[in-house]
Amino acid sequence: DTAVSQTPKYLVTQMGNDKSIKCEQNLGHDTMYWYKQDSKKFLKIMFSYNNKELIINETVPNRFSPKSPDKAHLNLHINSLELGDSAVYFCASSPRTSGSLGGPQYFGPGTRLTVL
Amino acid sequence: QKEVEQDPGPLSVPEGAIVSLNCTYSNSAFQYFMWYRQYSRKGPELLMYTYSSGNKEDGRFTAQVDKSSKYISLFIRDSQPSDSATYLCAIAMKTSYDKVIFGPGTSLSVIP
Repeated sequence: DTAVSQTPKYLVTQMGNDKSIKCEQNLGHDTMYWYKQDSKKFLKIMFSYNNKELIINETVPNRFSPKSPDKAHLNLHINSLELGDSAVYFCASSPRTSGSLGGPQYFGPGTRLTVL
Repeated sequence: QKEVEQDPGPLSVPEGAIVSLNCTYSNSAFQYFMWYRQYSRKGPELLMYTYSSGNKEDGRFTAQVDKSSKYISLFIRDSQPSDSATYLCAIAMKTSYDKVIFGPGTSLSVIP
């Protein structure tokens, strides 16, 4: 059983297109994240949702729009794709109780996005 | 100064060696510490996490945190070729939300 799953695993698309990546976790966690890992392997947070509420929104172009229909799902929609968007996008989740230290994050397998 | 610094390597050791991987961080407000292992073309896999200074052991892995020096380490005993991967340290602080900062990772190769 995959704890954090992402679809698709690979995504190749033309510049200017709009695409979505989906993430689901079956761990019962409250918090979900999107990270971007660039070609230099640097992992950087983009967004975080806690119980469907956006709690972290880093300096990400507004072409990127996350959406959490419920606490087990977090999707990422990207408009007008650019060459620089090519990267691996990871979804993660963590247990988090309000008012206390959160738990560690568990990652999905990643979506490798290539923009041509 | 970056929030988390980590020697990117690559680090190459013979099988059976003890491996030491290190990170330093700049902000004493960070309160919990994690180590992740990432195989090529895979997602980061949580190895260990701790909230306190001192050592935490799990099998061949030992995580060490020195909050006074803002220094964290991961030791791998009896290293195996299957340990060849990139190791990422990660640190976090409690604010109104949990923001985790990842180090750039150290690439490790264990040679049979």
